[in-house]
Amino acid sequence: QQKVQQSPESLSVPEGGMASLNCTSSDRNFQYFWWYRQHSGEGPKALMSIFSDGDKKEGRFTAHLNKASLHVSLHIRDSQPSDSALYFCAASEWRNNAGAKLTFGGGTRLTVRP
Amino acid sequence: EAGVTQSPRYAVLQEGQAVSFWCDPISGHDTLYWYQQPRDQGPQLLVYFRDEAVIDNSQLPSDRFSAVRPKGTNSTLKIQSAKQGDTATYLCASSFPGTGMNERLFFGHGTKLSVL
Repeated sequence: QQKVQQSPESLSVPEGGMASLNCTSSDRNFQYFWWYRQHSGEGPKALMSIFSDGDKKEGRFTAHLNKASLHVSLHIRDSQPSDSALYFCAASEWRNNAGAKLTFGGGTRLTVRP
Repeated sequence: EAGVTQSPRYAVLQEGQAVSFWCDPISGHDTLYWYQQPRDQGPQLLVYFRDEAVIDNSQLPSDRFSAVRPKGTNSTLKIQSAKQGDTATYLCASSFPGTGMNERLFFGHGTKLSVL
């Protein structure tokens, strides 16, 4: 079983609508969670990270973390066609003097319909 | 500031052939990662370095894959005898030192490999 699982696999929302993406981890060694976005033909690009319980807002993007259930979500309000991409949840475990090791989920493909 | 640079962008091989991928990380980034991303799936870590030292290569198929970062800057990932199952995009990423668990990875565009 993958350590980081995402749902849904694909999502279609109208322009201006709200997109909600979900992520669940099965490993309590994970302490930091990231959301990355990947447009076609490019490498993933970091959107935001979250460590504390509750909400974290950056512009149109809001991440929510429930550490007890290891559930993370990403909500995109006022979705734009340029938000159409593959979205990855990634969990980080810290190793002393060895940097952060990121484990990625399988991704959610978001399509924003004009 | 230049981003992470990878070459080549594309590679097409027959099974059994060898291929090398090259990565130039962002200047000053001490940690370098190689990920394998099969089509429409999430990136899977192969190996990562802190400076020239290998930190974790537990997911690297050691019989056919090798990775080096001899001077702690550029890195090369090599597949000795490619198989069709190696078809994927190979991503290189780097990160800035000292940011702890909140390390942000910066990815290159990747090398898209097709093994026929």
